[in-house]
Amino acid sequence: QVQLVQSGAEVKKPEASVKVSCKASGYTFTDYYIHWVRQAPGQGLEWMGRINPNSGDTNYAQKFQGWVTMTRDTSISTAYMELSRLRSNDTAVYYCARVTGDYRDYWGQGTLVTVSS
Amino acid sequence: EIVLTQSPGTLSLSPGERATLSCRASQSVSSSYLAWYQQKPGQAPRLLIYGASSRATGIPDRFSGSGSGTDFTLTISRLEPEDFAVYFCQLYGYSPPITFGQGTRLEIK
Repeated sequence: QVQLVQSGAEVKKPEASVKVSCKASGYTFTDYYIHWVRQAPGQGLEWMGRINPNSGDTNYAQKFQGWVTMTRDTSISTAYMELSRLRSNDTAVYYCARVTGDYRDYWGQGTLVTVSS
Repeated sequence: EIVLTQSPGTLSLSPGERATLSCRASQSVSSSYLAWYQQKPGQAPRLLIYGASSRATGIPDRFSGSGSGTDFTLTISRLEPEDFAVYFCQLYGYSPPITFGQGTRLEIK
């Protein structure tokens, strides 16, 4: 069955970077975009961007341009999201998701990133 | 950029009642790419409805979706205790590729 398994919770200091991984299984990794979505405590869902695992091409939300980097390693079916220059309001749960606009919709379990001095 | 506006922000109902949640797009969109998600505390969002009206795998038939153009609705015919959660609408395939509404919190009255 399709699974997206994310790396564990992180605690980072302001101005640091964080890199979250998302390991896919149960399907051909290069066949579907991986999207990254974040959710601040008590807030809604915010799309950050996506990566095409086949080509490595990325599309980032305008807000995150120059600040987020999405990469992948096809040899281990894993996508990565790195966010730099962290601030306290980047404290959130970060999700990877395979969203296709139809029923083939899968999400990782989420990774809590806490930014605190 | 298309904006999705959900209403109400919070809906207070009792088990057994009918819930009607609204999602309005800032411009006309294809219903093929309008979805609804349910999210419970500490969990990832779960797909309920895709294509505006198709239920995802395993979703009970008390959940139904409808609408077209700019106005979409999620209806829960008879609320069960496990239905009290936050609901998001989502638009796929535009620019940006994914847009979410701000959510409706469905709480027990």
